[in-house]
Amino acid sequence: DIQMTQSPSTLSASVGDRVTITCRASQSISSWLAWYQQKPGKAPKLLIYKASSLESGVPSRFSGSGSGTEFTLTISSLQPDDFATYYCQQYNSSDWTFGQGTKVEIK
Amino acid sequence: EVQLVQSGAEVKKPGESLRISCKGSGYSFTSYWISWVRQMPGKGLEWMGRIDPSDSYTNYSPSFQGHVTISADKSISTAYLQWSSLKASDTAMYYCARHRRHYDILTWGYYYYMDVWGKGTTVTVSS
Repeated sequence: DIQMTQSPSTLSASVGDRVTITCRASQSISSWLAWYQQKPGKAPKLLIYKASSLESGVPSRFSGSGSGTEFTLTISSLQPDDFATYYCQQYNSSDWTFGQGTKVEIK
Repeated sequence: EVQLVQSGAEVKKPGESLRISCKGSGYSFTSYWISWVRQMPGKGLEWMGRIDPSDSYTNYSPSFQGHVTISADKSISTAYLQWSSLKASDTAMYYCARHRRHYDILTWGYYYYMDVWGKGTTVTVSS
């Protein structure tokens, strides 16, 4: 199966900061990558699909890029509502796998 | 509004059986696959398996194959996750999620990602 590795595991940042999270796949997944946001006690929420397509209703400060094995999620100006855990997920195969998550904390 | 409504929290003893549910509404239930995802306390997301409600075809993660069963009743737009004999290690939050289908003209293939999630069902297994 395809392994997904995120970095960093934890990120401390301030409101207004530009934040970047990296996700690496153990083999090429083309652009078949999604990003999710999860807040404590809540279900994951889809942010980005096909590596860079913004889900409807998601603020434009979120963006995704990459292809093949390396991907990034960027938050251009961190807002109070963005403190959460973020997961990448590959859907290149019908054996979906997630990264281990990146927790974005208040600095 | 598209929704997946999951059944309520469960507290069970080791060895007991359990079935939890996920009811879809606001869309054509048979047009979208449903997956189940486990989240153990303080941990990340793990895909368990999925079902195509139109024909009940399933595939499972090797990590969960043989330990759980996924089924669906399309007449009531509901998917299920069941255990025949629970263990303490099954204590977790379980989410169902709908798969949106994406067609790629370059590969002539379909790709499926999870776009709508249920709120989760907490399962606690303790003696």
